[in-house]
Amino acid sequence: SQTIHQWPATLVQPVGSPLSLECTVEGTSNPNLYWYRQAAGRGLQLLFYSVGIGQISSEVPQNLSASRPQDRQFILSSKKLLLSDSGFYLCAWTPDRARAGANVLTFGAGSRLTVL
Amino acid sequence: QKEVEQDPGPLSVPEGAIVSLNCTYSNSAFQYFMWYRQYSRKGPELLMYTYSSGNKEDGRFTAQVDKSSKYISLFIRDSQPSDSATYLCAMIMRTSYDKVIFGPGTSLSVIP
Repeated sequence: SQTIHQWPATLVQPVGSPLSLECTVEGTSNPNLYWYRQAAGRGLQLLFYSVGIGQISSEVPQNLSASRPQDRQFILSSKKLLLSDSGFYLCAWTPDRARAGANVLTFGAGSRLTVL
Repeated sequence: QKEVEQDPGPLSVPEGAIVSLNCTYSNSAFQYFMWYRQYSRKGPELLMYTYSSGNKEDGRFTAQVDKSSKYISLFIRDSQPSDSATYLCAMIMRTSYDKVIFGPGTSLSVIP
């Protein structure tokens, strides 16, 4: 069965510090990978998606970047955090489009980031 | 106008009540419809998935889609305290990737 791991679960960082959140998916190959942010009382905002290694698309301009160094690894980064980067970050995956259930998002447990 | 609208609540009901959660959308290109449940400080988990107008039932949960009115609903029968969570509607538009748009979520509390 497929599982998604996301870490760290909680992070408190000062303004201006760097960020790295990591996500890995097990039990599948060539997944589509996503980073979402959820601000308090707001819906899920798609930040980045990736359909393959090295292929990253951004939905919104921002202070963050994403990378996919391996097929099942997705990393969210920032060189200098802003207060507005605080939030709940969720990694998610969908199967390759050719597979059954290809458009069902499965989420990780989330990473709660507080920037002080 | 937002693509997906959902009453954020909070909604508080007694145990055993029937709960109705609703979303409206504006883009007729949405093809698939889902409901996710999110417990506090956890990632959302898929509850219901459907792609056609009509009803789909799974245990105490019924998802209803009306494409002509651009309206979807989730009904919870015999609600339990364990149903207390935020419920997110989500809709998929198939582009170069599966673009999923989420509603803001409705916070539900079921009181014992």
